[in-house]
Amino acid sequence: QVKLLQSGAALVKPGASVKMSCKASGYTFTDYWVSWVKQSHGKSLEWIGEIYPNSGATNFNEKFKGKATLTVDKSTSTAYMELSRLTSEDSAIYYCTRHHKGHVMDAWGQGASVTVSS
Amino acid sequence: DIVLTQSPALAVSLGQRATISCRASQSVSISRYNLMHWYQQKPGQQPKLLIYRASNLASGIPARFSGSGSGTDFTLTINPVQADDIATYYCQQSRESPPTFGGGTKLELK
Repeated sequence: QVKLLQSGAALVKPGASVKMSCKASGYTFTDYWVSWVKQSHGKSLEWIGEIYPNSGATNFNEKFKGKATLTVDKSTSTAYMELSRLTSEDSAIYYCTRHHKGHVMDAWGQGASVTVSS
Repeated sequence: DIVLTQSPALAVSLGQRATISCRASQSVSISRYNLMHWYQQKPGQQPKLLIYRASNLASGIPARFSGSGSGTDFTLTINPVQADDIATYYCQQSRESPPTFGGGTKLELK
C-alpha cells in the first residue's frame, strides 16, 4: 500500500536549519507530485510547496519562498524539505503528501514535529 | 489567495446527521469541476482524504460520508454519525495556487 514515512522530531536552535525526509513506497515515486504542508500547534493547514520528482520542478507558496528548499533522491524514492533561518514561528508539524497536478492529496506522511528553541 | 471559511465547531448526537459547511471567497469551480476537497484529521494523526472534487468518495471511505456544492458553497455530510467520526474536518481548494485550507470544523458529541 502507499506509504509516506517521515523522519523524526527535531529540536533546533533559532537561526539554524533543519532538513527532514519523506520516504515513499507502494507506488511509482516519479508519477506523483510531493507537497509539504505545515500545521502550527492546534491550527489549520498551510501549503508550503511542491516538487515533481521526475523533473525536479518546484512551486512554492509565496509565503515560504526563501524559507523552504525542496529536493528529491529518485534512487531512494525520498523527498526532502530544508527549512532555514528558523524562528519560533517555524515550530510546527510538517507533513509530506502526494498528489497529481490537481492537488488532491490522497496520501499523507505521519508528520514531523519541529521545535525551535534555545 | 482563496480564503475558505468554516464554522469552528459542530455538536451532534450519535446516529444523527452532521452537516459541515465551507464557503470560499471566490468560486472554486471550473466548468463541471468543483475543485473542493475534504479531509478528516483525528487527534495526533495526519489528515486523511475523504471527498475529492466536491462529491467523489475517496478510496476506502464509508458511504455515510458525502459531499455536495458548487461555486463558493460546499457541504460535507455525515449520516449517521458514528463515534469514530469525532475529528476535525478541513476543506481545501485546488482552483488556484496556492492550494488553501479552511480553518477546520471540530465535530463534537452533544
